[in-house]
Amino acid sequence: DIQMAQSPSSVSASVGDRVTITCRTSQGISSDLAWFQQRPGEAPKSLIYAASTLQSGVPSRFSGSGFGTDFTLTITSLQPEDFATYYCQHYNTYPFTFGGGTKVESK
Amino acid sequence: EVQLVESGGNLVRPGGSLSLSCVVSGFTFSDHYMDWVRQAPGKGLEWVGRSRSKTQSYRTEYAASVKGRFTISRDHSTRSLILQMNSLKTDDTAVYFCVRSLGGANAGIFDYWGQGTLVTVSS
Repeated sequence: DIQMAQSPSSVSASVGDRVTITCRTSQGISSDLAWFQQRPGEAPKSLIYAASTLQSGVPSRFSGSGFGTDFTLTITSLQPEDFATYYCQHYNTYPFTFGGGTKVESK
Repeated sequence: EVQLVESGGNLVRPGGSLSLSCVVSGFTFSDHYMDWVRQAPGKGLEWVGRSRSKTQSYRTEYAASVKGRFTISRDHSTRSLILQMNSLKTDDTAVYFCVRSLGGANAGIFDYWGQGTLVTVSS
């Protein structure tokens, strides 16, 4: 199985800050990577697929990059509704696996 | 509007069985891959399994942790994705989410999530 190493596990930030989350896979997955946002008590929401393609309706302050084994999710100008936990996921081969999550907290 | 509504979560004894349902609306059910993803209390996300689309004969895939115990199927008369869970273990305690995938060339990529249903396995 492909292992996902997501970092940091938590980050403290303020509204307006730039936040960067990284995800590293144990083997190359091309661009077969997605990012999800989960607010407390809610279902996950799909943000990005194919490493850098925004899902419909996702604000442009979210962006993704990377290829192979190293990927990044960036939130420019953090908004109050962005305080949440973020997960990466690969869909290159079965079984799909998720990163451990990054909690974005208010500083 | 795409909607996924799970139901069937309950308290069940170890070794018992439970069936979850996800009723879908707002899209052509047979055209999309559908998955189950679970989340144990306070933990991260874990992929459970998949039902491919009609063009892929609804073939299924499962995580090793549930293979041989869980079965994913579709009931087209009720537009439902079904997760039949047998030989349940305490480690199966989780919120179970139904997830739709994009269609076409992006067939396997998650887009819409249901709100989840809680399964508790305990004696």
